[in-house]
Amino acid sequence: QTVVTQEPSLTVSPGGTVTLTCTSSTGAVTSGYYPNWVQQKPGQAPMSLIYSTSYKHSWTPARFSGSLLGGKAALTLSGVQPEDEADYYCLLYYGGAQVWVFGGGTKLTVL
Amino acid sequence: QLQLQESGPGLVKPPETLSLTCTVSGGSVSDTDYYWGWIRQPPGKGLEWIGHLHYSGRTYYNPSLESRVIMSVGTSNNQFSLRLSPVTATDTAVYYCVRYSGGWDYWGQGSLVTVSS
Repeated sequence: QTVVTQEPSLTVSPGGTVTLTCTSSTGAVTSGYYPNWVQQKPGQAPMSLIYSTSYKHSWTPARFSGSLLGGKAALTLSGVQPEDEADYYCLLYYGGAQVWVFGGGTKLTVL
Repeated sequence: QLQLQESGPGLVKPPETLSLTCTVSGGSVSDTDYYWGWIRQPPGKGLEWIGHLHYSGRTYYNPSLESRVIMSVGTSNNQFSLRLSPVTATDTAVYYCVRYSGGWDYWGQGSLVTVSS
């Protein structure tokens, strides 16, 4: 069974920079996994931030960016704001089986 | 602005069938550029992809749920639906309908379904 792994929790200071990562049990994450990043604040529906590794939606704040780093998908927040405190989930596509798999999520605390 | 809205019973008894419908406004389920899907989240836990479908009828399911899931699209009311059967308590979750357009861009607000006798 394919497992997608994220840091369970991270803490960052306001105005700081933090990188969340996403790894696959099958090996290095590449653009072919079409990494997506989703933000979920308490009591709210998830909201998509990044798709296909690094593409932003019209509503995605500029301080969020997606990339590939050392065989992992990565989400970097630069100039973190208090309202960025949330759970962040990565989502990878496994084309061979035509399935999507979520990571367990990272709880980001801004403190 | 595209909007998705889930609807269906909030309580389902095991081992009956969970049925949810997603109504799309501001867009069309028959638009062949998009896929439509379902994602769920058990209380206090993470997200799980259930599956997605295309207007053409192609469906793609999570292997762990495939034997119990049916998704379909209905153009008369611009809706698509999810059926999960038989259900158990572990299917208790908030169910989200979503659209895929290069990414899972638009999400419904979610519908809590509790499975309990």
